[in-house]
Amino acid sequence: GEDVEQSLFLSVREGDSSVINCTYTDSSSTYLYWYKQEPGAGLQLLTYIFSNMDMKQDQRLTVLLNKKDKHLSLRIADTQTGDSAIYFCAESITDTGFQKLVFGTGTRLLVSP
Amino acid sequence: KAGVTQTPRYLIKTRGQQVTLSCSPISGHRSVSWYQQTPGQGLQFLFEYFSETQRNKGNFPGRFSGRQFSNSRSEMNVSTLELGDSALYLCASSLGTSGGTNTGELFFGEGSRLTVL
Repeated sequence: GEDVEQSLFLSVREGDSSVINCTYTDSSSTYLYWYKQEPGAGLQLLTYIFSNMDMKQDQRLTVLLNKKDKHLSLRIADTQTGDSAIYFCAESITDTGFQKLVFGTGTRLLVSP
Repeated sequence: KAGVTQTPRYLIKTRGQQVTLSCSPISGHRSVSWYQQTPGQGLQFLFEYFSETQRNKGNFPGRFSGRQFSNSRSEMNVSTLELGDSALYLCASSLGTSGGTNTGELFFGEGSRLTVL
């Protein structure tokens, strides 16, 4: 199947670290992505990781990839109230010879002061 | 360069009507994908167009259709609207080709919020 699963909700305090988890299905995915959606807006690409990498760090963001378990996580260090949003992971899968992105259910992150 | 532009941003229709949504991709992008976002179902893939041809299609009824023009702009149409069609419709563009330095990422517009009464 094409189910990409995420927990629905995460609440943290400002300054703490946030970890958002995702499990995906296609072991042949070339890239995996994290997108952020703020209220009333479209999705914004935060970061991506190539499937032959275990970790990628980009400022406050750290992506960990466990290919064996098909598990992807996004860690946000020093979480700020402006980080409150919905976070989607996505995997690229090949369908009818072409790649398409399959998105997870989204995790709503709430950061309280 | 300009991002993905969707019009209209908001619209209200009644059951049985039809609606057309428009998407202008980033310059140079040849692929346009459409997604439906609802609170209950999340992000659902509708279809993808590349060089005026539909390459991928999701599991939506035939009332949902789309097309792409030679300048890569795309439209999607929903006929005989139902209450359940109320959603945020998101368009995303990409290069559409694989390999090389292309990471396959999608660039999203702000969406068109459709309310069906």
